[in-house]
Amino acid sequence: EVQLVESGGGLVKPGRSLRLSCTASGFTFGDYAMSWFRQAPGKGLEWVGFIRGKSYGGTTEYAASVKGRFTISRDDSKSIAYLQMNSLESEDTAVYYCARAGAASDYWGQGTLVTVSS
Amino acid sequence: SYVLTQPPSVSVAPGKTATITCGGLNIGSKSVHWYQQKPGQAPVLVIYYNSDRPSGIPQRFSGSNSGNTATLTIIRVEAGDEADYYCQVWDSSINHQVLGGGTKLTVL
Repeated sequence: EVQLVESGGGLVKPGRSLRLSCTASGFTFGDYAMSWFRQAPGKGLEWVGFIRGKSYGGTTEYAASVKGRFTISRDDSKSIAYLQMNSLESEDTAVYYCARAGAASDYWGQGTLVTVSS
Repeated sequence: SYVLTQPPSVSVAPGKTATITCGGLNIGSKSVHWYQQKPGQAPVLVIYYNSDRPSGIPQRFSGSNSGNTATLTIIRVEAGDEADYYCQVWDSSINHQVLGGGTKLTVL
């Protein structure tokens, strides 16, 4: 059974950093790209970025709203994808989801809440 | 950048057919995916590659895509179908995923 579990969310002050983890199980993690999405309170889904699998060089793509501040990485030996978030702003407050990415995101985690507030 | 436009809300009576549209320039040339999200839950993929259903998704859900509009159709709507629905495409010009703003389906 495919499972994705996000962790690392919490309350953080503006300008600070936070790293989220997405621990995967039930599939060959290294064969898949992994995406991050977010959803601000009462708002729609927003794509944050993704990292390709090793066969595609593990390269990354980011939404314009986070490019230069957020970094996605992966540790295939541990089946974990990371979202490093720097210079956090109040507008980054959201539930963050990781998802297994192919053409479509067929499996999603339950999300972790990040609140940016002083 | 590529923009997907969805109606904010759609209402339908139980047992009737719900149609949710997703508009985009020449979207018919792209592959469209649809997600269902119920309150407090993670999104669930209900349609991929315009019209394919993942295992476990009822046959009542179907999709189509042509011209400038992709459509998610739910026949014989049930109370449990009440949710937000999002369409998604891949914008190959900038290597970005693009999501529609979402449509809230209300079952009357």
